[in-house]
Amino acid sequence: DVKVTQSSRYLVKRTGEKVFLECVQDMDHENMFWYRQDPGLGLRLIYFSYDVKMKEKGDIPEGYSVSREKKERFSLILESASTNQTSMYLCASRDMNTEAFFGQGTRLTVV
Amino acid sequence: DQQVKQNSPSLSVQEGRISILNCDYTNSMFDYFLWYKKYPAEGPTFLISISSIKDKNEDGRFTVFLNKSAKHLSLHIVPSQPGDSAVYFCAASAYTGNQFYFGTGTSLTVIP
Repeated sequence: DVKVTQSSRYLVKRTGEKVFLECVQDMDHENMFWYRQDPGLGLRLIYFSYDVKMKEKGDIPEGYSVSREKKERFSLILESASTNQTSMYLCASRDMNTEAFFGQGTRLTVV
Repeated sequence: DQQVKQNSPSLSVQEGRISILNCDYTNSMFDYFLWYKKYPAEGPTFLISISSIKDKNEDGRFTVFLNKSAKHLSLHIVPSQPGDSAVYFCAASAYTGNQFYFGTGTSLTVIP
């Protein structure tokens, strides 16, 4: 059974903190993605990676960075958390020409 | 600019009837389309897909229709069940591309 696992289901962080969201996939997929979901805005792409150490900006990369040191792991970093980064964060992975598989999501609240 | 649009934020349907969810896209390079279902506090799960060489794909109660000339796809659920109540996202990509573009979602409520 395919699996994308996000390290936390719920997180509460303070404004200004550096936040790490971790994602691991066990399907040997080349491509990994970080989205955020907000009401009325759907899923918006933050960053994606098509290979180890390779990354591309998505639609809303400001305030975020990513790291992919190993094929199975893709980390999202909030350099200095702000309240407008309170959201549901979703990690996904896929091969070319297949559907994307999503993790269970991380509900991040920044106070 | 939103390349994939779902213009109906919500839809209510009686149990047993048909649910029709609609999606429009603007990029003519898109040739692979998917529907995802999402429950609150969970990640989206893949439902059904269609490539541009087809105009219809069925999987049990779910059928996706693609009208390339109109840049429009729809998801039909027949018969609708209360467990189908969820947010449905359509997504599109180019076969040669890496990323999906998602719509804003339609919240379906199936009334028992």
